[in-house]
Amino acid sequence: AQRVTQPEKLLSVFKGAPVELKCNYSYSGSPELFWYVQYSRQRLQLLLRHISRESIKGFTADLNKGETSFHLKKPFAQEEDSAMYYCALSGRSYGKLTFGQGTILTVHP
Amino acid sequence: EAGVTQSPTHLIKTRGQQATLRCSPISGHTSVYWYQQALGLGLQFLLWYDEGEERNRGNFPPRFSGRQFPNYSSELNVNALELEDSALYLCASSKEPGGPDEQFFGPGTRLTVL
Repeated sequence: AQRVTQPEKLLSVFKGAPVELKCNYSYSGSPELFWYVQYSRQRLQLLLRHISRESIKGFTADLNKGETSFHLKKPFAQEEDSAMYYCALSGRSYGKLTFGQGTILTVHP
Repeated sequence: EAGVTQSPTHLIKTRGQQATLRCSPISGHTSVYWYQQALGLGLQFLLWYDEGEERNRGNFPPRFSGRQFPNYSSELNVNALELEDSALYLCASSKEPGGPDEQFFGPGTRLTVL
């Protein structure tokens, strides 16, 4: 079975502070990992995926197969980063994205 | 480029009724996915359609069904509505059938069952 765990429902940081949103997964194969973000009153959208190894809006995420983790990091948080963040996995059962429960990030001024 | 569209925005039904939700994918996308976002349960995969066929199904009862039309738009039907079906239903589309590829999401339909 494939599973995604985001241990923090809520995360609060101050502007300029580093931020790390945790994601752990369970999957017996080579997964594709994604981070999706939902800003207030906007639709869910892709932030980044591990295969592209891009940095989007200053966010990066590294797939650690040994620790089965895909944590999202940003060195200096901005107020506009406040949103709901979902970690998601696409595995053997194609078409299916398995989502974590989401983490609400609040960046205080 | 127009995004994924869904209708209606809100839908209110009573127990035992049927609900029909609609989705239009991004032009050029052939795959449509449906997800349920119920309070406290997160986003759960419901169905995947590609080229008019149901390709995969999540752990939901048969009263959740749907179809995909020749223009790739899709309908989700929920029969014999139960209170716990109240949720936000999201539709997504992708260019590559089944992925793993980016899925583009619509704004959702909020279904309330009274």
